[in-house]
Amino acid sequence: GQNIDQPTEMTATEGAIVQINCTYQTSGFNGLFWYQQHAGEAPTFLSYNVLDGLEEKGRFSSFLSRSKGYSYLLLKELQMKDSASYLCATGKLTFGTGTQLKVEL
Amino acid sequence: DSGVTQTPKHLITATGQRVTLRCSPRSGDLSVYWYQQSLDQGLQFLIQYYNGEERAKGNILERFSAQQFPDLHSELNLSSLELGDSALYFCASSVEHSGNTIYFGEGSWLTVV
Repeated sequence: GQNIDQPTEMTATEGAIVQINCTYQTSGFNGLFWYQQHAGEAPTFLSYNVLDGLEEKGRFSSFLSRSKGYSYLLLKELQMKDSASYLCATGKLTFGTGTQLKVEL
Repeated sequence: DSGVTQTPKHLITATGQRVTLRCSPRSGDLSVYWYQQSLDQGLQFLIQYYNGEERAKGNILERFSAQQFPDLHSELNLSSLELGDSALYFCASSVEHSGNTIYFGEGSWLTVV
């Protein structure tokens, strides 16, 4: 089956670093995706991990451990515009319910 | 702009009616996906087509159907609409049927009254 777990909500301070975790159970694993979604808007692609390790892309980084069924999204130098829902997804067909991140002053 | 085009952007209709949502994938993408997102809910996968053929099916209701045409655009048909069908319906596309990034359209807001 494909069960994806991620925290429902997180709050962080502008300029800080936040880590959003995602655990999954899936067979036929073919990659782990992270998307950002602002309310009422389309999800936008952030990252894709298929191999273990850390992928860095500007202020955002994503980590994957296939043996542990675990991934995290790391956001650095948080900005107010980073307030959004962050969706973890596997196999492109199953999305987690998303982590609502609120960035405060 | 992801390159995925959905129409209409907003739609209000009455219970019991039928609507058709349309999606044009990004140029070169062969795979189309449909998702439903209700208020404060996650993305629910409905169905996937690849090069005109149904590839995968999620929790799509029998009242809903979809197809992908030879020009690769897709339509999602929703019939006998109920109040609970009110949601944001997203179309997404990718190059292949798996292992590639999918790109989402802006969505079609459906309100059933």
